[in-house]
Amino acid sequence: DAKTTQPPSMDCAEGRAANLPCNHSTISGNEYVYWYRQIHSQGPQYIIHGLKNNETNEMASLIITEDRKSSTLILPHATLRDTAVYYCIVRHIQGAQKLVFGQGTRLTINP
Amino acid sequence: GAVVSQHPSWVICKSGTSVKIECRSLDFQATTMFWYRQFPKQSLMLMATSNEGSKATYEQGVEKDKFLINHASLTLSTLTVTSAHPEDSSFYICSGHTGTDNSPLHFGNGTRLTVT
Repeated sequence: DAKTTQPPSMDCAEGRAANLPCNHSTISGNEYVYWYRQIHSQGPQYIIHGLKNNETNEMASLIITEDRKSSTLILPHATLRDTAVYYCIVRHIQGAQKLVFGQGTRLTINP
Repeated sequence: GAVVSQHPSWVICKSGTSVKIECRSLDFQATTMFWYRQFPKQSLMLMATSNEGSKATYEQGVEKDKFLINHASLTLSTLTVTSAHPEDSSFYICSGHTGTDNSPLHFGNGTRLTVT
């Protein structure tokens, strides 16, 4: 049972920043926010995760609101290869907890 | 790092036969592995969770006698679809976890199973 809400689809122009929102209003204090993406016919690819502070890596930035009820994944300079379904998932901190996938956001990068 | 290799990437089999899918963690020890399946235009659905050396835990509605999971080592888990039928045609994906708190799951590239 997914605990997140995402828009079903979004479009973004190549070279621009893609901002993907996610609502997780029932998140608990011991749950992280994870982002994965799935390019067609491939396995999901890990992007980033965070607890309450904003995070940045070579792929993306994750902005989490102060109340932790929502977050935004930012792809700073989107390319055509970023076209994929993006999944925002909340997951318990401890141990090998499973990932429960929702429907995600289908992001299309347009030339 | 954290590479998961899945084999085969695709397989076609006849109805009534069995198919084995392998999932290997190449550069880490996966104490826990998860098996998912994905039907066209749908999201991933968790089938089962397996810990090395233990019996797998199946999600509700997944037949444990039909989908046999073996996790005999820290780097290998297998899923065998027994007596496959056309409705078992799907995209099967495995993922591995190191067992360290807060570390992400890493996924294989999936196996496309077509049962004719």
